[in-house]
Amino acid sequence: GENVEQHPSTLSVQEGDSAVIKCTYSDSASNYFPWYKQELGKRPQLIIDIRSNVGEKKDQRIAVTLNKTAKHFSLHITETQPEDSAVYFCAASQDDYKLSFGAGTTVTVRA
Amino acid sequence: NAGVTQTPKFQVLKTGQSMTLQCAQDMNHEYMSWYRQDPGMGLRLIHYSVGAGITDQGEVPNGYNVSRSTTEDFPLRLLSAAPSQTSVYFCASSSGTSRRFQFFGPGTRLTVL
Repeated sequence: GENVEQHPSTLSVQEGDSAVIKCTYSDSASNYFPWYKQELGKRPQLIIDIRSNVGEKKDQRIAVTLNKTAKHFSLHITETQPEDSAVYFCAASQDDYKLSFGAGTTVTVRA
Repeated sequence: NAGVTQTPKFQVLKTGQSMTLQCAQDMNHEYMSWYRQDPGMGLRLIHYSVGAGITDQGEVPNGYNVSRSTTEDFPLRLLSAAPSQTSVYFCASSSGTSRRFQFFGPGTRLTVL
């Protein structure tokens, strides 16, 4: 099955700085890569996703890049704000409904 | 639309007891899935369904049963609860046609003593 590794496990950044989270996957057949944000005690919520026919996607302060050759993808958050503090999960899938998740990154934005 | 709903929000069981976690969605989504979330391990897929009457196992199916008699409902049954099943359980659904990403329910926190 698919194995997704996520780094770092914790990330502390100064407000206004950028945050980068990296994930690698094992199954070259995976073609869908979503990122979820989970606030304490809440459900995971999709923040951005990318499919294998695209190398980069951007949505305001959030961007995701995908390198299919190297089997890794990254989440970039620019101009971080306190409300960006949360746990972020990457995932990979051949089918949109069968996600394999990374272990998560706890992001803390310092004011 | 209520989206994806789950009941109960919290549950405490004794070892060996059985129970059903309920999940319902009102978005007419074809796909539904159950995940469990444990500290430091992300979310792991338990069972999933691609439509009414069709279910299949995910990564960690042992000790759990599912059925999908309607499009809306996808209950998860714990047959004989064990302390290792202490976790937060999330149900998710997604469309097979329109923008296909998973919507998660609010979760059920289960403790098995």
